[in-house]
Amino acid sequence: EVQLEQSGAEAKKPGESLKISCKGSGYSFNNHWIGWVRQMPDKGLEWIGIIFPDDSDTRYNPSFQGQATISADRAVKTAYLQLSSLKASDTAVYYCVRPPRGAARAFDSWGQGTLVTVSS
Amino acid sequence: DIQLTQSPPSVSASVGDRVTLTCRASQDIHGWLAWYQQRPGEAPKLLIYAASTLQSGVPPRFSGSGSGTDFTLTISGLQPEDFATYYCQQANTFPTFAFGPGTKVDVK
Repeated sequence: EVQLEQSGAEAKKPGESLKISCKGSGYSFNNHWIGWVRQMPDKGLEWIGIIFPDDSDTRYNPSFQGQATISADRAVKTAYLQLSSLKASDTAVYYCVRPPRGAARAFDSWGQGTLVTVSS
Repeated sequence: DIQLTQSPPSVSASVGDRVTLTCRASQDIHGWLAWYQQRPGEAPKLLIYAASTLQSGVPPRFSGSGSGTDFTLTISGLQPEDFATYYCQQANTFPTFAFGPGTKVDVK
């Protein structure tokens, strides 16, 4: 069974940085894209970016380029999302997501979400 | 960039109703469209991919259709657990993606 286990909720102050994690299990981590989605309070879903762990090929939503950094550690089968210079508007739930190999081109697996709260 | 619009933004319906939601892309996405359901407090759940393929385990009352720029999600016989928000997502530019703004289905 595919599982994406995310790190716990975070409370940060404006200007601080943050790195949240997503550990994949039940599948070949290196050979599947793994990505991140943001959901601000009572708002819709926004695709942030995605990485292919085997070669670290990374793509970003232009709206998040420069604000978010995605990385992966193949040894521990974990993907990361780093956000720097946090603002109150970064308050959101962040989901890690995985599209399966093949024709699906959709996110069949989701992490449980990590709530990030940015407040002074 | 490919933009997605969804209509209506919200719809009120009753159990047993047939509900049709629409998603329109700003350019031809060659059938690479998925639909998700999100209940409050939960992570989204994949319902349909490649415009019309039902994800494993999803009830057959959900169906998807469309091509080019216009797509629909139909719920035939709305059930109490179907009151939720539905998002479309384009994957023509895989491995980059984009979501639509969502349609909320609530109780009439």
